[in-house]
Amino acid sequence: DAGVIQSPRHEVTEMGQEVTLRCKPISGHNSLFWYRQTMMRGLELLIYFNNNVPIDDSGMPEDRFSAKMPNASFSTLKIQPSEPRDSAVYFCASRPGRWLNTEAFFGQGTRLTVV
Amino acid sequence: DAKTTQPPSMDCAEGRAANLPCNHSTISGNEYVYWYRQIHSQGPQYIIHGLKNNETNEMASLIITEDRKSSTLILPHATLRDTAVYYCIVRPGGSQGNLIFGKGTKLSVKP
Repeated sequence: DAGVIQSPRHEVTEMGQEVTLRCKPISGHNSLFWYRQTMMRGLELLIYFNNNVPIDDSGMPEDRFSAKMPNASFSTLKIQPSEPRDSAVYFCASRPGRWLNTEAFFGQGTRLTVV
Repeated sequence: DAKTTQPPSMDCAEGRAANLPCNHSTISGNEYVYWYRQIHSQGPQYIIHGLKNNETNEMASLIITEDRKSSTLILPHATLRDTAVYYCIVRPGGSQGNLIFGKGTKLSVKP
């Protein structure tokens, strides 16, 4: 398996533009997580899906952020409109099962720069 | 979730054992101790986890005190490639508990 695949790896956009980050979890994994990492705040959990259903979105910073998981093999994190303070590395992770005590596998991240 | 406390940084000589401590004094009976690491510019990587018994795998050993209020991650023969930030996390096992990362310990392995 190729692991968790995120795209794009790097994104530079202008303030006010819409940004869409994509994630393909490992096949067969039931749980998917989106994290954001900055120097100031470290790794923050944004949202968590289980079986394609959002379970906990309390970490989503504001209404400009939205995440979807239309099927088991794809998820998106959208920022509209983007702002410079959204600049960060965004990680997606997946885990095999909700009821199994298993580890999460992380993608390589998307480095977002909003200018 | 229970909080963890880790030293912000540690140094280790190449080839020596690296012992990374973690305090989790408020851990609950059903919470596991997980360790992840993040090498610069990469996503976090799972290392090991345990409940109350000591655990060992090809990467590391995890020693959990009898009262479970603290643990130590041991890298038996540290290499330069082990330089990373190491995160100790506690979360409920067998549930939808999330991985909440703290600030971790920056381990620098020096030649």
